[in-house]
Amino acid sequence: SQELEQSPQSLIVQEGKNLTINCTSSKTLYGLYWYKQKYGEGLIFLMMLQKGGEEKSHEKITAKLDEKKQQSSLHITASQPSHAGIYLCGAPPPGTYKYIFGTGTRLKVLA
Amino acid sequence: DAGVIQSPRHEVTEMGQEVTLRCKPISGHDYLFWYRQTMMRGLELLIYFNNNVPIDDSGMPEDRFSAKMPNASFSTLKIQPSEPRDSAVYFCASRVAGGGTDTQYFGPGTRLTVL
Repeated sequence: SQELEQSPQSLIVQEGKNLTINCTSSKTLYGLYWYKQKYGEGLIFLMMLQKGGEEKSHEKITAKLDEKKQQSSLHITASQPSHAGIYLCGAPPPGTYKYIFGTGTRLKVLA
Repeated sequence: DAGVIQSPRHEVTEMGQEVTLRCKPISGHDYLFWYRQTMMRGLELLIYFNNNVPIDDSGMPEDRFSAKMPNASFSTLKIQPSEPRDSAVYFCASRVAGGGTDTQYFGPGTRLTVL
């Protein structure tokens, strides 16, 4: 079965610093979703990547899927306290909607 | 749109009691998903429906868990009898097929504590 591993598990950065979160799949990805979760709330969709080498940006967050479609990275530029939360990557195995998710990366941004 | 609505937001019950969690998906969405999130196991898919029909319930942990979707605007997840290990946050999500971004929209979750 397919598994998603995220690294690091947790991250504490000073406001204004850049950071990167990685998501590695045990099998080829056919779609990779990034979500953000704040404590006590549901998951908020950030971005979806489908093609190898694809890169998308939204405000100060950039996500990329590698050419082999087995690893994705999420990069935050000039982090702010509002970026704090849990970031999860998710993917549906091909031909199904049985989404699986990584274990999450807890981000804390110090003001 | 109000988004995916879940109730209750918090539930505290005693072991052995029946628990019913409720979800109202976004209008027009034809897929509905139930997830469970714990520190140990992360976010796990329990069951999903398409057009009110259960498609895959292989993630349902035991026969104590059951889910229904009597119509396009309502779904329930029931645990009977509940056990302390069922304590978790339960999320409902919905999506629409061919919806461009092909993304799921999550509700705020129900935090269940079984004493």
